[in-house]
Amino acid sequence: DVQLVESGGGVVQPGGSLRLSCAASGFAFDEYGMHWVRQAPGKGLEWVSLISGDATRTDYADSVKGRFTVSRDNSKSSQYLQMNSLRPDDTAFYYCAKDGAQYDALGRLEHWGQGILVTVSS
Amino acid sequence: QSALTQPASVSGSPGQSITISCTGSSNDVGGYHLVSWYQQHPGKAPKLIIYDVNHRPSGVSDRFSGSKSGNTAYLTISRLQPEDEADYYCSSFTSTSTPWMFGGGTTLTVL
Repeated sequence: DVQLVESGGGVVQPGGSLRLSCAASGFAFDEYGMHWVRQAPGKGLEWVSLISGDATRTDYADSVKGRFTVSRDNSKSSQYLQMNSLRPDDTAFYYCAKDGAQYDALGRLEHWGQGILVTVSS
Repeated sequence: QSALTQPASVSGSPGQSITISCTGSSNDVGGYHLVSWYQQHPGKAPKLIIYDVNHRPSGVSDRFSGSKSGNTAYLTISRLQPEDEADYYCSSFTSTSTPWMFGGGTTLTVL
């Protein structure tokens, strides 16, 4: 079974940094694009980032471009989200999600982690 | 504000059918066949129920169906059941600087 487990969340002050990790299992990790999606408490979903299976392609939402960096280590079946210059409006549950298209990224988020809370507050 | 517009809420009675719309533009819904729909129950992660406009992942009930006309995508749920009560989100690829977007979400109440 596919499993995605996020870690690294917590409370951080405005302007601070945090690194999220997503450990994957149950599939050929290097063959699939991986996304991050966030959800502010009580609000809707917001797509954050994509990294292709071979890490040659990365995309970001305008709201995080220049502040967040996505990466992956296929030898560890893990993806990461480095978040810098954090702002209070970055407060959200962050979900790791697997794209359902092999060797491509078509936005079919067929498996999701349980989510992890990031709180940006002084 | 989401680029994809959904009604904030819809409701229906058990056994009935409902349809949720997702309106975008030629830069997203109208221009690509890459529309997905997600179901989210309170406190849970979203679940993919429709991809590529009208395809169901294995294990998803055939009561869920998707379609598209012009710049608007639709999710139809037939034979409503109490467990269908949830939030529903559409998503589409976009040709803008943010390549993927979600709609604002629709809360379905089963009366």
